[in-house]
Amino acid sequence: NAGVTQTPKFQVLKTGQSMTLQCAQDMNHEYMSWYRQDPGMGLRLIHYSVGAGITDQGEVPNGYNVSRSTTEDFPLRLLSAAPSQTSVYFCASSKGQGVNTGELFFGEGSRLTVL
Amino acid sequence: AQSVTQLDSQVPVFEEAPVELRCNYSSSVSVYLFWYVQYPNQGLQLLLKYLSGSTLVKGINGFEAEFNKSQTSFHLRKPSVHISDTAEYFCAVSSTGGYQKVTFGIGTKLQVIP
Repeated sequence: NAGVTQTPKFQVLKTGQSMTLQCAQDMNHEYMSWYRQDPGMGLRLIHYSVGAGITDQGEVPNGYNVSRSTTEDFPLRLLSAAPSQTSVYFCASSKGQGVNTGELFFGEGSRLTVL
Repeated sequence: AQSVTQLDSQVPVFEEAPVELRCNYSSSVSVYLFWYVQYPNQGLQLLLKYLSGSTLVKGINGFEAEFNKSQTSFHLRKPSVHISDTAEYFCAVSSTGGYQKVTFGIGTKLQVIP
């Protein structure tokens, strides 16, 4: 059972380049989200989705774009990379509403460095 | 709005000693509370959760936490730690009802000393 799969695991970009972090889950979860993890700041929510075709912004959405065309996939796009986006990115999913909301299943992370 | 405060960024403890990792939360509505653990170079995994009912919650690997509504706290405890418990621990909160965003604390690094 794969769970939540993120690719790539590591990426180095130059300032201004764009890229997409991929996230796929095979648990038929309605809710998917992207977090970034930075030292001393914990995890901060970038974007989330409550189902196919529905996305919304989290705490730190600027510079990122998302879409949810299928239940399984939730890619995160960096439009024009900046050094401030150097971070570890985590995709997470859950069954959705109520008591299931906070039970997140995480991918292994994608470490991004922007030069 | 909701927030989580983890009072200790690092906690060193000797092997087989007890440990408590502190967490306080703030919310204007009812909440669910969670503790997650992150081992080095891995994603987070759920350790335990409080949804309702008994305020003492037991999780995996011998951890437990107690919900205290009056003190808005959800401290994590283990009576005897092992080297393998060395990890970063995150307290998290989500509002009850509907699709609710999960807010995490900044994390506490537990270092178990042999």
